[in-house]
Amino acid sequence: IAGITQAPTSQILAAGRRMTLRCTQDMRHNAMYWYRQDLGLGLRLIHYSNTAGTTGKGEVPDGYSVSRANTDDFPLTLASAVPSQTSVYFCASSSRGTGANVLTFGAGSRLTVL
Amino acid sequence: GQNIDQPTEMTATEGAIVQINCTYQTSGFNGLFWYQQHAGEAPTFLSYNVLDGLEEKGRFSSFLSRSKGYSYLLLKELQMKDSASYLCAVEDSNYQLIWGAGTKLIIKP
Repeated sequence: IAGITQAPTSQILAAGRRMTLRCTQDMRHNAMYWYRQDLGLGLRLIHYSNTAGTTGKGEVPDGYSVSRANTDDFPLTLASAVPSQTSVYFCASSSRGTGANVLTFGAGSRLTVL
Repeated sequence: GQNIDQPTEMTATEGAIVQINCTYQTSGFNGLFWYQQHAGEAPTFLSYNVLDGLEEKGRFSSFLSRSKGYSYLLLKELQMKDSASYLCAVEDSNYQLIWGAGTKLIIKP
């Protein structure tokens, strides 16, 4: 089934630990995004990539890094997790440049930092 | 700054009609999107408006007035499965999506 796969589904980790959230899409979308969703707030963009080999900073990039080595994969890394990074993280993709920029989302990764 | 406003929560009755409003102030405008998000799940695309007027898609319709910075999502013949959060998002002049906090819609039998 075409779509986006995120892993892990949920994770609890200690503050200071390094963590990578994985995201893979099989729709050959050129653009990919990482969002965090917190109660009472809208989705906030962390990082994005308009095409393989390029990345950009979103609204809340501090403490996070991404890479886009190929079209399909867009991992998000927390170098040293802090409790304020407790959130639900959504990866998304779109065929940017062809009509409306409709995003397809992964199922989300729930991260708790203690 | 950029801002999207929508009600935090609404309640409606099964079989009825509900209108969810969204007002926005953004740096430019390249389109407005509505997404549906069931609890614990990912957002899914519902509708897109770039020109003024009404877009109808089955039981759901979305309206846009660019001059007023206003949109609404209209849900007809409400079903229990429509209980979800509805997210309004605007694409600004830099082609970045600005998201509202979402409206939680509760459907009562």
